[in-house]
Amino acid sequence: GAVVSQHPSWVICKSGTSVKIECRSLDFQATTMFWYRQFPKQSLMLMATSNEGSKATYEQGVEKDKFLINHASLTLSTLTVTSAHPEDSSFYICSARDQGRAYEQYFGPGTRLTVT
Amino acid sequence: DAKTTQPPSMDCAEGRAANLPCNHSTISGNEYVYWYRQIHSQGPQYIIHGLKNNETNEMASLIITEDRKSSTLILPHATLRDTAVYYCIVRVLDNDMRFGAGTRLTVKP
Repeated sequence: GAVVSQHPSWVICKSGTSVKIECRSLDFQATTMFWYRQFPKQSLMLMATSNEGSKATYEQGVEKDKFLINHASLTLSTLTVTSAHPEDSSFYICSARDQGRAYEQYFGPGTRLTVT
Repeated sequence: DAKTTQPPSMDCAEGRAANLPCNHSTISGNEYVYWYRQIHSQGPQYIIHGLKNNETNEMASLIITEDRKSSTLILPHATLRDTAVYYCIVRVLDNDMRFGAGTRLTVKP
């Protein structure tokens, strides 16, 4: 099956710094990628949708200047959390849609971000 | 996409079948029923999906009622490794996946 990877799997950063999370589709091309956030004991919440070569579409309440998304190629999307604060500590999960099979959406293993 | 309703938690004995219900009474004709699960601290894992016919794969079976207003995911022989949160999602193809609260299934020895 299709594989989506994320890097890093966990990261600890200091308050005020920025951190970048990578999401790659390993064996398929993804025209659309999605970023989710999950707080402890809660469900996944969609943050934004990104299409290759164009600006991401953010969900209501998600600050686009704080969560920078770049989808520069058909296999790579990045999420940068700028000026991170402890309340940004969460589990970030990316997902990718297979260009060849528009209805299939595959999920990465997630990145645990802790801001101290 | 149609909203889904699932029980917050269920228990199942190891080796027995786990039957997880999902209500989606406002489902429309072009919406599919998807099931994912999430084991603690991992990304969601695809299980199965269907439109109106019952479906079976190596992981589970999906039973959709004739009026399509509800469905049941069946894990035929639950193991301890099936302990997870199970999400039922209804969506039109090409729409993004949006997750509800899901059902926390605990398989007990």
